[in-house]
Amino acid sequence: DGGITQSPKYLFRKEGQNVTLSCEQNLNHDAMYWYRQDPGQGLRLIYYSQIVNDFQKGDIAEGYSVSREKKESFPLTVTSAQKNPTAFYLCASSVTGGDYSNQPQHFGDGTRLSIL
Amino acid sequence: RKEVEQDPGPFNVPEGATVAFNCTYSNSASQSFFWYRQDCRKEPKLLMSVYSSGNEDGRFTAQLNRASQYISLLIRDSKLSDSATYLCAVKGTALIFGKGTTLSVSS
Repeated sequence: DGGITQSPKYLFRKEGQNVTLSCEQNLNHDAMYWYRQDPGQGLRLIYYSQIVNDFQKGDIAEGYSVSREKKESFPLTVTSAQKNPTAFYLCASSVTGGDYSNQPQHFGDGTRLSIL
Repeated sequence: RKEVEQDPGPFNVPEGATVAFNCTYSNSASQSFFWYRQDCRKEPKLLMSVYSSGNEDGRFTAQLNRASQYISLLIRDSKLSDSATYLCAVKGTALIFGKGTTLSVSS
């Protein structure tokens, strides 16, 4: 089945540790996104990528890094510089361009990150 | 003014009630609008897109008012299974989300 796969579902980070969240999609979507959601809050954009080998900072990029070496994959690294990483992380993808500019984003089922 | 604002609720309604949510947005150039549903501890799922002329999907009706820069979602004949958080989203480079409105439908 086509979809977006995030792993792991739950992740624990120790002090000073970098951790990487995986996001893979087989929908052939050009654009991919990372959001963070805190309890009782909406989704805030961390990074997005509209094409392979290119990505842009969102509203809260500090303490995070991404790469987009393949169309299917958009991993997010939460670095030790992110002092409050506990949140629900959501990856999304969408088609882009032309007649598809008004298409919605579709989400993976998320990764919950906590500090040990 | 925040980019996308919603009344957080909660809205507590009995089964069978009609309930309406509004969402305002600040960027008058926005072109695409959506409503998502999010269940507790789950990812948001697309409920419906919002078209300029308004659109309906079963018990759900979405409206767009460009002059006042708001979108609305009307749910008729509420079911217990409609209990969830409803997020409005406005397309910029990426989707910008409101904080969501919580709906609780009781029997």
